[in-house]
Amino acid sequence: SQQGEEDPQALSIQEGENATMNCSYKTSINNLQWYRQNSGRGLVHLILIRSNEREKHSGRLRVTLDTSKKSSSLLITASRAADTASYFCATSTTNDYKLSFGAGTTVTVRA
Amino acid sequence: EPEVTQTPSHQVTQMGQEVILRCVPISNHLYFYWYRQILGQKVEFLVSFYNNEISEKSEIFDDQFSVERPDGSNFTLKIRSTKLEDSAMYFCASRGEAGVGGELFFGEGSRLTVL
Repeated sequence: SQQGEEDPQALSIQEGENATMNCSYKTSINNLQWYRQNSGRGLVHLILIRSNEREKHSGRLRVTLDTSKKSSSLLITASRAADTASYFCATSTTNDYKLSFGAGTTVTVRA
Repeated sequence: EPEVTQTPSHQVTQMGQEVILRCVPISNHLYFYWYRQILGQKVEFLVSFYNNEISEKSEIFDDQFSVERPDGSNFTLKIRSTKLEDSAMYFCASRGEAGVGGELFFGEGSRLTVL
């Protein structure tokens, strides 16, 4: 299966701390994306990293990609209560017009 | 900002009934998708649609499912005879970029409850 698998499944941190979650996948990818889902809502795109990129930043988000290990990490710095959500990685291959999602990491930020 | 809209937000139906879930993708987008998410579980791909035809479908998307883009704006998912295990949140998504692997824009979902 192409799907990414996130680790950990759940994460609870104090406001102001950093949150790190990881994603592993199985086959070669075209790009890897991270999405966020608030409880009961739709998925919102956060960031896309291409297979030839190693690191990308967007505001308080930092994504890394290691294609040799088939893994990615998402770091949220200086977390806020509003960052409480589930975070999913999603991958596409060079032949894919769809995204394959992992099971997600549920992040709870305590005020 | 353009958005994907889905109706209904919640539908309750009896097992064996037909259900149609509706989506209005972003107007200049080219690729359309349905995903589903059983409560608390992963987001599963159902089907992709491009150039007025299905481009890919998953094993979940069996003969009970069909999709249509009847009028150039709506994109519908029909479940012919619902089963209990069809209870899930169904998400429509669209993409504007040509080629593989671009950003998907998701609707807020339609929650389907089959009794």
